[in-house]
Amino acid sequence: GDSVTQMEGPVTLSEEAFLTINCTYTATGYPSLFWYVQYPGEGLQLLLKATKADDKGSNKGFEATYRKETTSFHLEKGSVQVSDSAVYFCALVDNTDKLIFGTGTRLQVFP
Amino acid sequence: EAGVAQSPRYKIIEKRQSVAFWCNPISGHATLYWYQQILGQGPKLLIQFQNNGVVDDSQLPKDRFSAERLKGVDSTLKIQPAKLEDSAVYLCASSLSPALGGYEQYFGPGTRLTVT
Repeated sequence: GDSVTQMEGPVTLSEEAFLTINCTYTATGYPSLFWYVQYPGEGLQLLLKATKADDKGSNKGFEATYRKETTSFHLEKGSVQVSDSAVYFCALVDNTDKLIFGTGTRLQVFP
Repeated sequence: EAGVAQSPRYKIIEKRQSVAFWCNPISGHATLYWYQQILGQGPKLLIQFQNNGVVDDSQLPKDRFSAERLKGVDSTLKIQPAKLEDSAVYLCASSLSPALGGYEQYFGPGTRLTVT
């Protein structure tokens, strides 16, 4: 079945550092791709999405590009803040409209 | 616009007891989902409703878990009897109908269940 693989965490960065969280997927067809964020004690929030190859999703300074050739959807941010500390989940919608999540990557940003 | 509401936020029970969780989706959202999120893992879909009908319950442990969505709005998820391995956060989400392109799911804050 379809699946999502994320880099393991935690990712520990200093404020203003560059962030990359890797995500690759296995799927039949061309699924829509998502990044969700979960702040401590809160539910998941959609951060950004891309629905077709070469689309770039962006929000709050975060970006991810749908790369069909490498089946990847890596999350990037040029300058992280302490408030970005959270768990980030990569996900896809499979051909039965089911949302499939990766295991999540914890990001810790220190001042 | 009000988000997805869930209650209770926390629940501690002993094994073999029963527990129920409640979810109120965003108004107008036809599709409702229940997920189980075990610590350190991504959410896993338990059941999906379209209005008041079940679309997918293939990963719901039906010997102990049940869910209903009467009148196509609120939903309850029940566990009876609970096991230690049921300790997790139970997330409710809602979306417009996927058939209408409603792939974006909106999540509630979750209910953290601890089974002792």
